[in-house]
Amino acid sequence: KQEVTQIPAALSVPEGENLVLNCSFTDSAIYNLQWFRQDPGKGLTSLLLIQSSQREQTSGRLNASLDKSSGRSTLYIAASQPGDSATYLCAVRRYGGSQGNLIFGKGTKLSVKP
Amino acid sequence: GAGVSQSPSNKVTEKGKDVELRCDPISGHTALYWYRQSLGQGLEFLIYFQGNSAPDKSGLPSDRFSAERTGGSVSTLTIQRTQQEDSAVYLCASSSTLAGVQETQYFGPGTRLLVL
Repeated sequence: KQEVTQIPAALSVPEGENLVLNCSFTDSAIYNLQWFRQDPGKGLTSLLLIQSSQREQTSGRLNASLDKSSGRSTLYIAASQPGDSATYLCAVRRYGGSQGNLIFGKGTKLSVKP
Repeated sequence: GAGVSQSPSNKVTEKGKDVELRCDPISGHTALYWYRQSLGQGLEFLIYFQGNSAPDKSGLPSDRFSAERTGGSVSTLTIQRTQQEDSAVYLCASSSTLAGVQETQYFGPGTRLLVL
């Protein structure tokens, strides 16, 4: 059974700091991995999607890496800003069975202090 | 529409009552998903619709939960005889399909259900 774990559960950093959020998964047979952002009272916003054949994806100040063999992904946020404060969720899409559903971690709640 | 919409945004109900939650996916998206987010828990997959295929109901927690998708567009998630443990945020997502592969899922704002 695929399980996704995110560490830390919460993180508080001063503005301007670079930071790394971690995601691990137990079954390396994944189709892709996505990082989402969730703001309070709102739905999820997709940030980056990494296919299983890729090692990383970049968008602006965000960089996500994927090491499928070790079951790990990281989300790197450069020069953090107060507007980055949100909960960040990692999710994997598995091979086989239903290709529709994503399996999510419980998220890392990030607070960036001005 | 511009994005996935859900209604109602909030629902308070009494234990034992039935509730219906609605999802309007992005126009043209063939895939639709329902997830549940309970307090302190991760998002939990409930059900998945893809075109005219039979839905994947493998995530539904009990037979009190059911969902329909009419005309390949709007979906309704129904919870019968609600229990307090059903209290959660119910999220809907939709995605397009390219060469048989589902693309990025776009999420709605969710319906916050509270069962008293």
